[in-house]
Amino acid sequence: DAEITQSPRHKITETGRQVTLACHQTWNHNNMFWYRQDLGHGLRLIHYSYGVQDTNKGEVSDGYSVSRSNTEDLPLTLESAASSQTSVYFCASSKGYTDTQYFGPGTRLTVL
Amino acid sequence: QKEVEQDPGPLSVPEGAIVSLNCTYSNSAFQYFMWYRQYSRKGPELLMYTYSSGNKEDGRFTAQVDKSSKYISLFIRDSQPSDSATYLCAPRARNTPLVFGKGTRLSVIA
Repeated sequence: DAEITQSPRHKITETGRQVTLACHQTWNHNNMFWYRQDLGHGLRLIHYSYGVQDTNKGEVSDGYSVSRSNTEDLPLTLESAASSQTSVYFCASSKGYTDTQYFGPGTRLTVL
Repeated sequence: QKEVEQDPGPLSVPEGAIVSLNCTYSNSAFQYFMWYRQYSRKGPELLMYTYSSGNKEDGRFTAQVDKSSKYISLFIRDSQPSDSATYLCAPRARNTPLVFGKGTRLSVIA
């Protein structure tokens, strides 16, 4: 069955370290998204991609980067992790602009 | 003012009650209106999708959009304990990403 997976599911890291969260989908979807979810803020868009080599900044992109070298993967990198980046991170994908977004199970990141 | 406002609750109702969940928005360019449901420690999943104004019904769920007042509603009839989750409204304009509300946490008590 096609699916969207995220790894790791839980991660603890230290301030200043570089961290990469993986997102992999097997639906061959063009569009992929990264969100963070925090109490009191809901889901906020970090970066998104509408295809290979395409990346766009979302609402809260500072301190994060993405690259899209193939259809299936959109890794999210925290260049220098900060305590403010402690959050639950969700990856999502959709076939087209008007299509349903399917979410992964989430990665819980703690920055100490 | 945020583009999408949603009361975070929590909202607690007895089993069988009619539940009304609401959002307001400020961007008149929004044309597509989604409701996502998120169970604890899971990713959100699409529940309902409405294009422009009007009502859409799916079983016990009804989504309603009033573009003139920029008001989005989700009604749940005969609520069940399995409906206990966080409900997020997510409108968007043409060819732009979704904008999520903060979500309303609902508990249906048996």
